[in-house]
Amino acid sequence: EDKVVQSPLSLVVHEGDTVTLNCSYEVTNFRSLLWYKQEKKAPTFLFMLTSSGIEKKSGRLSSILDKKELFSILNITATQTGDSAVYLCAVERRWGTNAGKSTFGDGTTLTVKP
Amino acid sequence: ETGVTQTPRHLVMGMTNKKSLKCEQHLGHNAMYWYKQSAKKPLELMFVYSLEERVENNSVPSRFSPECPNSSHLFLHLHTLQPEDSALYLCASSQDRQARATLHFGNGTRLTVT
Repeated sequence: EDKVVQSPLSLVVHEGDTVTLNCSYEVTNFRSLLWYKQEKKAPTFLFMLTSSGIEKKSGRLSSILDKKELFSILNITATQTGDSAVYLCAVERRWGTNAGKSTFGDGTTLTVKP
Repeated sequence: ETGVTQTPRHLVMGMTNKKSLKCEQHLGHNAMYWYKQSAKKPLELMFVYSLEERVENNSVPSRFSPECPNSSHLFLHLHTLQPEDSALYLCASSQDRQARATLHFGNGTRLTVT
């Protein structure tokens, strides 16, 4: 059975801090790893990672995948209160049985204090 | 505006009621999904529809009955639910099930079963 473990489960920081969120996974026929941000209800897409060692970057957020060690990290630099949210990690299967199926982790709840 | 619209936003129902959740997507996607998000648990995939055909049912009790009349609309019919079914029900869509890159989520329906 596919498994996604995120750590820490929750994190409280102050504005300006840098945070690193972790996601480790076990999945049959890995296709991609995705990060989402969930502020109130609808998760919104952040990154999709398919190749090891290639950093994806969007503003103050960046993410990288290690397919050998089966984990990914999401970095947020110079955090702002608007970064407060639950960050979800999900892995997706390749073609074949249950192709495209996503398995989500529990999420990391980030709180950024002013 | 996420492109995926869910109604109602909140629903309170008794265990003997029958109600339906509605999802509509305006993105031209071919795959639609129902997810359940309970407190302190990861997102759980319930059903997957591809081109209006149900392609996945993840051991969901029969008191939840999905319907996909066309590729833009998805319903979840609810009947004789239990209090533990109280959760946020999220609808999502993607371009197609096997080659999709990301899920687009709606804002969800917060369901309370009394």
